[in-house]
Amino acid sequence: GQQLNQSPQSMFIQEGEDVSMNCTSSSIFNTWLWYKQDPGEGPVLLIALYKAGELTSNGRLTAQFGITRKDSFLNISASIPSDVGIYFCAGGGDSSYKLIFGSGTRLLVRP
Amino acid sequence: DGGITQSPKYLFRKEGQNVTLSCEQNLNHDAMYWYRQDPGQGLRLIYYSQIVNDFQKGDIAEGYSVSREKKESFPLTVTSAQKNPTAFYLCASSIRTGGTDTQYFGPGTRLTVL
Repeated sequence: GQQLNQSPQSMFIQEGEDVSMNCTSSSIFNTWLWYKQDPGEGPVLLIALYKAGELTSNGRLTAQFGITRKDSFLNISASIPSDVGIYFCAGGGDSSYKLIFGSGTRLLVRP
Repeated sequence: DGGITQSPKYLFRKEGQNVTLSCEQNLNHDAMYWYRQDPGQGLRLIYYSQIVNDFQKGDIAEGYSVSREKKESFPLTVTSAQKNPTAFYLCASSIRTGGTDTQYFGPGTRLTVL
């Protein structure tokens, strides 16, 4: 079945640093979604990408849909303590309603 | 104020009892989903429904049941047949954009079976 490899598994950074995480797959996706989950809460959609090569920003967050349609990255600039959480990528196919989720990147920010 | 609501936030049940988790959405989304999340892990799909009165098994449907009698509601029953029901349960709904579905999640229900 389809699988996503998300890396890194965890990151512990200093406040103010930039962060980069990515997801790769051997399968092609038509949609890439990035979510953030705070402890004990549901994932919140950060950025949605619908077109290969698309680069989209949301405040300090920037995500790109890889040109091969098999990968995506998320960058966070100038990290702050409230960026702490787990970030998930998800890939969507064409005819299926199902999303394939990565295993998550746990981000810790040291003030 | 549109969104997805799940109730209750925390649920405790004795082993062997069935329990039903509520999920309601007022976003007018056609599709709804149930996921299970275990500590430190990603999301696993239990069931999903594309339209009213229709639903499909996800990757880990054994021990669970659902119904979709109304567009707004997609309750999940965790039966006594589920061997390890203690987990965080997430409901989602989706709208089709650009040929695929963008899913939005509820706040989750943490089920603990004693």
